[in-house]
Amino acid sequence: SQQGEEDPQALSIQEGENATMNCSYKTSINNLQWYRQNSGRGLVHLILIRSNEREKHSGRLRVTLDTSKKSSSLLITASRAADTASYFCATDAGFSGGYNKLIFGAGTRLAVHP
Amino acid sequence: GAGVSQSPRYKVAKRGQDVALRCDPISGHVSLFWYQQALGQGPEFLTYFQNEAQLDKSGLPSDRFFAERPEGSVSTLKIQRTQQEDSAVYLCASSLKGPPETQYFGPGTRLLVL
Repeated sequence: SQQGEEDPQALSIQEGENATMNCSYKTSINNLQWYRQNSGRGLVHLILIRSNEREKHSGRLRVTLDTSKKSSSLLITASRAADTASYFCATDAGFSGGYNKLIFGAGTRLAVHP
Repeated sequence: GAGVSQSPRYKVAKRGQDVALRCDPISGHVSLFWYQQALGQGPEFLTYFQNEAQLDKSGLPSDRFFAERPEGSVSTLKIQRTQQEDSAVYLCASSLKGPPETQYFGPGTRLLVL
């Protein structure tokens, strides 16, 4: 069972456009992370936002977190063909064992066309 | 430095066959996670090791799945009497210590059970 749900499931845009992906989750969290996965490859960590943060930037990435709505969004500005990948949000509920078991959503498949 | 490596990258097994999947985490990383990723889905947690101790195996689907990390570095995920529903990508991730450390993922082993 997966806690997060990404929206949309698939997104197709032109190079230079912005891409916005949304994630909703169900339970309280310590932090939320976004990962990218290129076809047939492992996941690459993009950004982590803590539960007491509302917005975070990293290069062309902007992440927002609304804990009252249990939702997050990932914005990729000025997209490039190389951004084509699947993007996953993962929530970290901070289990009592002191480790961060990540709960992933089903992902958004982004296609950026030249 | 070297990232997380996994072997084999691809494995085809006949139903009923036993398989062993290997993960080499980043040197010095205390935490090691195994995830299962079905086609078109996000990764789902299987099990967690802190050094050689398996602290959480709540995600293992059945008693046919067994994981070990005897010396606190390399880990092996073993699946006995494979079934077709075991077909998936098996991802290994490691992190330096406890939360909220970033998890670094390997490229995964794609298992196909015929």
